[in-house]
Amino acid sequence: DAGVIQSPRHEVTEMGQEVTLRCKPISGHDYLFWYRQTMMRGLELLIYFNNNVPIDDSGMPEDRFSAKMPNASFSTLKIQPSEPRDSAVYFCASSLADGGTDTQYFGPGTRLTVL
Amino acid sequence: GQQVMQIPQYQHVQEGEDFTTYCNSSTTLSNIQWYKQRPGGHPVFLIQLVKSGEVKKQKRLTFQFGEAKKNSSLHITATQTTDVGTYFCAGLLMKPYGQNFVFGPGTRLSVLP
Repeated sequence: DAGVIQSPRHEVTEMGQEVTLRCKPISGHDYLFWYRQTMMRGLELLIYFNNNVPIDDSGMPEDRFSAKMPNASFSTLKIQPSEPRDSAVYFCASSLADGGTDTQYFGPGTRLTVL
Repeated sequence: GQQVMQIPQYQHVQEGEDFTTYCNSSTTLSNIQWYKQRPGGHPVFLIQLVKSGEVKKQKRLTFQFGEAKKNSSLHITATQTTDVGTYFCAGLLMKPYGQNFVFGPGTRLSVLP
């Protein structure tokens, strides 16, 4: 199994630009999670999906952030417009069952830099 | 608010010394998971504890879940340079209308050869 796949691995953009991060979960996993990691705030859960349906988006910081999961094998996290404070590593993770009770498999992350 | 804390924030040890990180929650946890993140890497699942007072071992790593299910610890015996990384605990906190999975801030371990 290839594991969780994220693209791009690195993204550098200018303030105000739209950024789209992509994730392909492990096949057969029903749960997908988006996290943001910074030195100041650590690992933060932004949103998670169950069977492609968003379950809890209370961690999404602002309306500038949106996430979709159009099918079981693909999810996107979009930031529009991006700001320098959005600079972070964004991880996608997937799990067979509810991630709170089952192993979460993390992707390699996307390192986002907003200038 | 509800949160999961970890101490220490950083730990530097000489290779061969033991290491312990502690995880504490302000509220009872349904379970707790431990993850390790190598520098530049992504979190990797180590173990899950569910029962009050549970103790699990993985080679040189010993994990404990407190009797009140509000704290946990990870102990590494005779550290090696391969143990370098940040160790996170993550707890499942029950809310009235659902549940909340929260990561602690992590303990960064450095091992000097």
